[in-house]
Amino acid sequence: QVQLQDSGPGLVKPSETLSLTCTVSGGSISSYYWSWIRQPPGKGLEWIGYIYYSGSTNYNPSLKSRVTISADMSKNQLALKLSSVTAADTAVYYCARGGMTIFGVVIMPGAFDIWGQGTMVTVSS
Amino acid sequence: EIVMTQSPATLSVSPGERATLSCRASQSVSTYLAWYQQKPGQAPRLLIYGASTRATGIPARFSGSGSGTEFTLTISSLQSEDFAVYYCQQYNNWPPLTFGGGTKVEIK
Repeated sequence: QVQLQDSGPGLVKPSETLSLTCTVSGGSISSYYWSWIRQPPGKGLEWIGYIYYSGSTNYNPSLKSRVTISADMSKNQLALKLSSVTAADTAVYYCARGGMTIFGVVIMPGAFDIWGQGTMVTVSS
Repeated sequence: EIVMTQSPATLSVSPGERATLSCRASQSVSTYLAWYQQKPGQAPRLLIYGASTRATGIPARFSGSGSGTEFTLTISSLQSEDFAVYYCQQYNNWPPLTFGGGTKVEIK
């Protein structure tokens, strides 16, 4: 079955760029919407943005100026870059698969049915 | 942005009892509503999508209902493994896709 493995540095300095990777195994990133979601310690979930397999992206307006999500189809990998980080960006970061299907065709973003295990990223000098 | 509000923040329930969790949207999301369960140190797990359809492998004791702005997740008879935090999420209108603040179901 499809599995997601997110990875990246656990510690990032303030003002630097956070970079994470999500490797998809057991399936292709073709089709579906692939999102990054984060969760600060002890708090709720915040959607960061998604990339559709076609390459189109959509970001949370609150983070849009600092976020880039990309995909490498040849490696079946997704990537997240978040620039100019501060302590407020300290969180567990998840990659997740989403999409609402009609007759087996993904037509829009939907519920997140598969999640990576999450990577804790701390922003500190 | 559609704001999702969950209540109560904490629900104390005895094993075997019924638990009812609420989620309210700031504007209609039709039935584009999902529920997740999250245990400490784990990623969220999808329970319900389309407001009432159980995801693959989810026990029948979990049920979802509602449409528009008012939604309910019911756990008919709480098992020990059901004590966790539950989140709702809307996918009717984006960006952004939004989650509720969560309801913690704890042992009474």
